[in-house]
Amino acid sequence: DIVMTQSPDSLAVSLGERATINCKSSRSVLYSSNNKNYLAWFQQKPGQSPKLLIYWASTRESGVPDRFSGSGSGTDFTLTISSLQAEDVAIYYCQQYFSTWTFGQGTKVEIK
Amino acid sequence: QVQLVESGGGVVQPGRSLRLSCAASGFTLSSHGMHWIRQAPGKGLEWVAVIWDDESKKYYGDSVKGRFTISRDNSKNTLHLQMTGLRGEDTALYYCARVSVEVGRPYDYWGRGTLVTVSS
Repeated sequence: DIVMTQSPDSLAVSLGERATINCKSSRSVLYSSNNKNYLAWFQQKPGQSPKLLIYWASTRESGVPDRFSGSGSGTDFTLTISSLQAEDVAIYYCQQYFSTWTFGQGTKVEIK
Repeated sequence: QVQLVESGGGVVQPGRSLRLSCAASGFTLSSHGMHWIRQAPGKGLEWVAVIWDDESKKYYGDSVKGRFTISRDNSKNTLHLQMTGLRGEDTALYYCARVSVEVGRPYDYWGRGTLVTVSS
């Protein structure tokens, strides 16, 4: 099974500052035949179901603010919130869907 | 509008069985792959099981393989998860989630979850 490891486990960022979350997979999730990374990012606010933010590692879901961006390829990925807003306080999960499905352990984002 | 409503959760003793349901509305269940994902209290997300739209494939997470069975009743637009041999570590909020018809775009809709508590 592919293991997904996120870092850090939590971070506190000032409003308007950048937040960066890393996700590393135990093996590549890049499918060579279509050059797509089978990697998604989800946001889960307290008391709510998760919400899809990014898929194909860098494709923003419809309606997601453009301050959210995804990057990376192969085994190393990053979710960036360019200017943190109060409503972005949440836990963020990466998930690979290259070989079955596995989630990272989550990264809690708070306001400093 | 698209809705997924889970039910069937509750308190159950270790070793017993429970059947969860996920009622879909606003779309035709048979057109979509469906997943079960769970979240233990205060913990992260764990993928549990998937069923293909045509039911041709079913896959399970290692922790539930051989004990849980995913199925669907397209005539009732309902997804199920039959859980047997329940253990304390199965205690979690169980979500159903719909796979988008757009290739590579996972889980466009989630339910709110149903809580399963395994305890004597």
